[in-house]
Amino acid sequence: SYELTQPPSVSVSPGQTARITCSGDALPKKYAYWYQQKSGQAPVLVIYEDSKRPSGIPERFSGSSSGTMATLTISGAQVEDEADYYCYSTDSSGNRGVFGGGTKLTVL
Amino acid sequence: EVQLVESGGGLVKPGGSLRLSCAASGFTFSSYSMNWVRQAPGKGLEWVSSISSSSSYIYYADSVKGRFTISRDNAKNSLYLQMNSLRAEDTAVYYCAREIVSGWFDPWGQGTLVTVSS
Repeated sequence: SYELTQPPSVSVSPGQTARITCSGDALPKKYAYWYQQKSGQAPVLVIYEDSKRPSGIPERFSGSSSGTMATLTISGAQVEDEADYYCYSTDSSGNRGVFGGGTKLTVL
Repeated sequence: EVQLVESGGGLVKPGGSLRLSCAASGFTFSSYSMNWVRQAPGKGLEWVSSISSSSSYIYYADSVKGRFTISRDNAKNSLYLQMNSLRAEDTAVYYCAREIVSGWFDPWGQGTLVTVSS
């Protein structure tokens, strides 16, 4: 079955840039979406269609995609950005969804 | 207020069955595809199943195909997940989520915990 691969953890100091990657064979043809999940809460969408930001999401969140890799970038990471981040996409048929394994972002 | 509320979780023995429900309010339920996503304790998110607005298109993750059945009742603004032949690895919090466009899930419910254990 199709898989998306993320690094288990990323750590940065406040104000630094955090980059979280997501790799998958279908990403050249399928959009990537990024979800933020804080402890005990439901996930929240922070990036859709590779690089678009929903209203209400801070400008420091951005996304990009090239080839088989999508990247979530948090420019000037804040302590409140500490969370688990998941990429999401679909398989090549577009019918089955898949989440990456998640990346724990630590900002300290 | 756009809201999703799951119910029906609980403790069930391996091989048993459970039916989850998701009550929608604050939006035109019949206009949106809906999804179930689960999260095992301390683990990541796993997409489980999706159903289109008119139930014409239904898809499942390989891990639940043949055991779980997604359905909806647009007249009752409700989404369901019938889970049969449950296994220990099905233990998770189950979320329902509205799909605004493909891949954009919002909102999510608060989740309902399913525990499969003898």
